[in-house]
Amino acid sequence: DSGVTQTPKHLITATGQRVTLRCSPRSGDLSVYWYQQSLDQGLQFLIQYYNGEERAKGNILERFSAQQFPDLHSELNLSSLELGDSALYFCASSVEDNSPLHFGNGTRLTVT
Amino acid sequence: LAKTTQPISMDSYEGQEVNITCSHNNIATNDYITWYQQFPSQGPRFIIQGYKTKVTNEVASLFIPADRKSSTLSLPRVSLSDTAVYYCLVGPRMDSSYKLIFGSGTRLLVRP
Repeated sequence: DSGVTQTPKHLITATGQRVTLRCSPRSGDLSVYWYQQSLDQGLQFLIQYYNGEERAKGNILERFSAQQFPDLHSELNLSSLELGDSALYFCASSVEDNSPLHFGNGTRLTVT
Repeated sequence: LAKTTQPISMDSYEGQEVNITCSHNNIATNDYITWYQQFPSQGPRFIIQGYKTKVTNEVASLFIPADRKSSTLSLPRVSLSDTAVYYCLVGPRMDSSYKLIFGSGTRLLVRP
């Protein structure tokens, strides 16, 4: 158990809808990262937050947004969903920049 | 941003030692080298991290030459359960371009 909790585990929704994925980092970790992994694809970095502030942004679509709250949990909002957004979405956390990432078990999003 | 190059796939047999090499020619002074293991539909799991020379833990060893332009993950006496994708990451960069990029990884298949 990595200590990173992601909810929900599975999500099925229709095109055009909006969903929110939630991540609780390990206790004491200030950084939260979001990654997308499509079927048989690599991990695509979306965005990172550090202690509530956006730290780095990857190939995150404008339809997607994220935030980190004062209690350090994070939410990834996906809107105007398309079939191609179906993927595993992973959250990871770390204590500081040089520390290893600890990943949650992911949220599997299916857009129909 | 340091880019990494790994073999796409490797085959091995149970009980053998497996060495996976990662090239990172433009590694920066502040960069650490970190390896992760990922099973299907699971989040990556931290294996080992190093900065220079050799690091060993209960799972693997990491060899880093003096120029740090490459690194080798060594898995002793692999078993079937070591079949997974292995990712080499180099980072972070202590500047505004900081982001942790996973490459395509190395698919290791361990045969009986």
